[in-house]
This record gives sequence, C-alpha cells and structure tokens, in this order.
Amino acid sequence: QQPVQSPQAVILREGEDAVINCSSSKALYSVHWYRQKHGEAPVFLMILLKGGEQKGHDKISASFNEKKQQSSLYLTASQLSYSGTYFCGTERDDKIIFGKGTRLHILP
Amino acid sequence: EPEVTQTPSHQVTQMGQEVILRCVPISNHLYFYWYRQILGQKVEFLVSFYNNEISEKSEIFDDQFSVERPDGSNFTLKIRSTKLEDSAMYFCASSRTGLGNQPQHFGDGTRLSIL
Repeated sequence: QQPVQSPQAVILREGEDAVINCSSSKALYSVHWYRQKHGEAPVFLMILLKGGEQKGHDKISASFNEKKQQSSLYLTASQLSYSGTYFCGTERDDKIIFGKGTRLHILP
Repeated sequence: EPEVTQTPSHQVTQMGQEVILRCVPISNHLYFYWYRQILGQKVEFLVSFYNNEISEKSEIFDDQFSVERPDGSNFTLKIRSTKLEDSAMYFCASSRTGLGNQPQHFGDGTRLSIL
C-alpha cells in the first residue's frame, strides 16, 4: 500500500519554508525521499532509518516518527532550484513504494 | 561520479511489437530495479533483481514482462507484446546492497511510446 503524501502541491516564494508529509498505514522500516524535476529522473535526497534520522542537505532535512508511521521533509529558505515533485518512498520486501508526490513550485 | 545509463532515450513502437529497454547499472551495485512512470503520475515499482533472479515484482509485471542480465554489465527489460497502456517513462535503478540504508540511483529513463 502506497504512502500518502500531503499536501499535493505547494506554491512558495523564494526564501519561504515548506513541509511535506508522508504517512503510511503500515509499519515503516525506512523512508526514502526523492526529488524529480520535470522530464528528469528522480534524484535521491535522503533516507531515514527506523530509530534515527538522517540529514541529507544543508537546508533540506527530514524527520521520522516511527510511532505515528510518518516522515516529514523540511525545506528551509527555499531556492528556485528546489522546484520539482517530491516523492517519499517506503521500503518493504526489496522494493520502494512511492507516494503520489508533492509538487513544489518556487516563485522568484 | 558513476551513474546508471539507459538506452534508448526514446523508443517508438507499434502496438503488439516486442521492445527491449536497456540499462547499465553502476558497476559495484548488486541490486537492480525497473520502475514505470505514466505521464503526470507517480513512479511505480515493477521489479527488483538480485543474484540473477527476480527478488520481487509488482502486479504490473505480468507475463508480458521479463528481465535479464545477459552479461556482466547490462540489465534489460523486455515487453513481449506491447499495448497502448505500456506507454510511459521507464526508469532503471541500482543500489549497492539491498534497501534499508542504501539509496537507489536512477537512470535518466527511456520514454516508450506505443502507437
């Protein structure tokens, strides 16, 4: 079963912050975050493991709440280059199941 | 930095024809994957492959699909008799070990158009 992402879309001005949420109805062992720009491949951002959190980039971080079966991605002081679709993926049995994605559009 | 390469970048095929999509994973990676993305939709898992056999597949990956690692470098996805609904972007990915604390690295994809 795929994780549920919210919101579906976000429009921000450059410099503003954003939070993207990912939740699952099943127990999470790890959560993967990817960003995909239009017409390009998904690019790995970070993995969060059960029992810890991992920060992948300076102004992009994430948290993982095992009890709530949720992960959140935080984008601080957003830049134009942050625009794209963000996918969370939950890992189970040798595969990642991706959510439907959150479209992020940064305005100058 | 090593990367996953996919060929061709765009494939146009008549419905009912066979198509083979090719991928060269990162050389020291052991796990390989195919994903599909219909235009404007999410990335969907098709199949994972490890130690020369399928380790997991989705319900999308029916008898029309097959994967192969014909030599030490290539990893292929074959669709035996293509349908219109097979039109999508197909991504190959690889990871150093199994999932968990290892990221998957995606290739740039092959856009498959079925006429």
